[in-house]
Amino acid sequence: GQQLNQSPQSMFIQEGEDVSMNCTSSSIFNTWLWYKQDPGEGPVLLIALYKAGELTSNGRLTAQFGITRKDSFLNISASIPSDVGIYFCAGRADDYKLSFGAGTTVTVRA
Amino acid sequence: ETGVTQTPRHLVMGMTNKKSLKCEQHLGHNAMYWYKQSAKKPLELMFVYSLEERVENNSVPSRFSPECPNSSHLFLHLHTLQPEDSALYLCASSQGLGRTEAFFGQGTRLTVV
Repeated sequence: GQQLNQSPQSMFIQEGEDVSMNCTSSSIFNTWLWYKQDPGEGPVLLIALYKAGELTSNGRLTAQFGITRKDSFLNISASIPSDVGIYFCAGRADDYKLSFGAGTTVTVRA
Repeated sequence: ETGVTQTPRHLVMGMTNKKSLKCEQHLGHNAMYWYKQSAKKPLELMFVYSLEERVENNSVPSRFSPECPNSSHLFLHLHTLQPEDSALYLCASSQGLGRTEAFFGQGTRLTVV
């Protein structure tokens, strides 16, 4: 699959903060997906984006499909403790294969 | 029942053992996938089955052998594994290839000793 660069690799959140992460690709995608994985669980789909420029929300989560079709970002507003976990971006070009980022690990700041 | 169920959840095996991972989906999907997840690395697609036919074999070593007896079940047979094969193995399913998004199971945490 294609190489996706996801950043940051990790972040600390404080309850109530807004946080943001992004994903870039060297090639164009037709679909961008954002997943969350809790410890000991499989990834769960949060948001799916199918059109350049699309901005989609799921509760406190908002994701956008970049205009260049080579990037996407995910925002979490007013973070809460249960937002901790690993967030993955994934992209798909013309076929069925998904390329995944390495993940952003979100933990609570003590 | 959850949509995609994987068993066992944890497995420790020696390098000379033979074991199998099982995946079952209750979503009526017709495509199933095996992924390998290693720490701090992107998910790696291993195998894809569509309508019980294998459509993808991503240069995976032959010590991993998939089997899809019907559209609801997927197995990964393991033999003579190496310690570097230790990882979380995730099964997923979707309705069609690339037309709808995949649902993942909880994974099998495999440790090779």
